[in-house]
Amino acid sequence: GAGVSQSPSNKVTEKGKDVELRCDPISGHTALYWYRQSLGQGLEFLIYFQGNSAPDKSGLPSDRFSAERTGGSVSTLTIQRTQQEDSAVYLCASSFPPGRGELFFGEGSRLTVL
Amino acid sequence: QQQVKQSPQSLIVQKGGISIINCAYENTAFDYFPWYQQFPGKGPALLIAIRPDVSEKKEGRFTISFNKSAKQFSLHIMDSQPGDSATYFCAARRNAGNMLTFGGGTRLMVKP
Repeated sequence: GAGVSQSPSNKVTEKGKDVELRCDPISGHTALYWYRQSLGQGLEFLIYFQGNSAPDKSGLPSDRFSAERTGGSVSTLTIQRTQQEDSAVYLCASSFPPGRGELFFGEGSRLTVL
Repeated sequence: QQQVKQSPQSLIVQKGGISIINCAYENTAFDYFPWYQQFPGKGPALLIAIRPDVSEKKEGRFTISFNKSAKQFSLHIMDSQPGDSATYFCAARRNAGNMLTFGGGTRLMVKP
C-alpha cells in the first residue's frame, strides 16, 4: 500500500530486553516523526527527522531511547533495557517538507513489557 | 512550555446531536491547528484544520471555531452519527517547523 507501514504491529518483551520498531514512510515524504501513545492518553512527541538535518530528539524520555533514519527513508526506533512504563503504542508519521501541514500516521506498534 | 489542553476527556452524544470538543493553547507562535480522528487499532488521520487568520472553517458536518484572542479552538460535529465514534485529538504546530503538539484526546461515543 501507499501508506506509512510499521512493524511489528505487536511486540511482547520481557523487562530488560532491547526492542526495535520499524517505520517505512510514504515515498517522497522528507519528514518522519515518532510519537508514543500510552493507554487512554494523548500523543507524546518523541523524535523528528527532516531530510538531512540533525534530528529533533527533544521528546525522547531517556537515553534508553534512540532512533535513526537510513537513506532518508526507513526509520528504526530502539528501546534498550525496556521497562514496564515503556508499554505503549508507538506511532510513526511522515509528511512533506515543513509547512505542508498534514501528518500521515501508520497504525502503530503496540509494545507490551512484562 | 508548548502545551495544548483538551476537554472533555470523554463525551457521549445521542445520534443526531451536536458533539463539541474544546482546546486551549498557550504558545502564540502556533500557526496551524488541525484535528485528527482515530479509530481503535488505527493511526490518527487528519479530519479538518484551520489557520489563525480565519475564525471558522466548515467541512460537511465538521466545523472548527477559532478564537485567537482567547487562544481557544473547538470542533463541532453536527448531526453526530454512530460512525463518528472515535477518539479526537486537537493539535497545534509552531511556525518554525512541522512538529505537532497534541491535546490529550477526547473519546466520543455516539449512541444510536
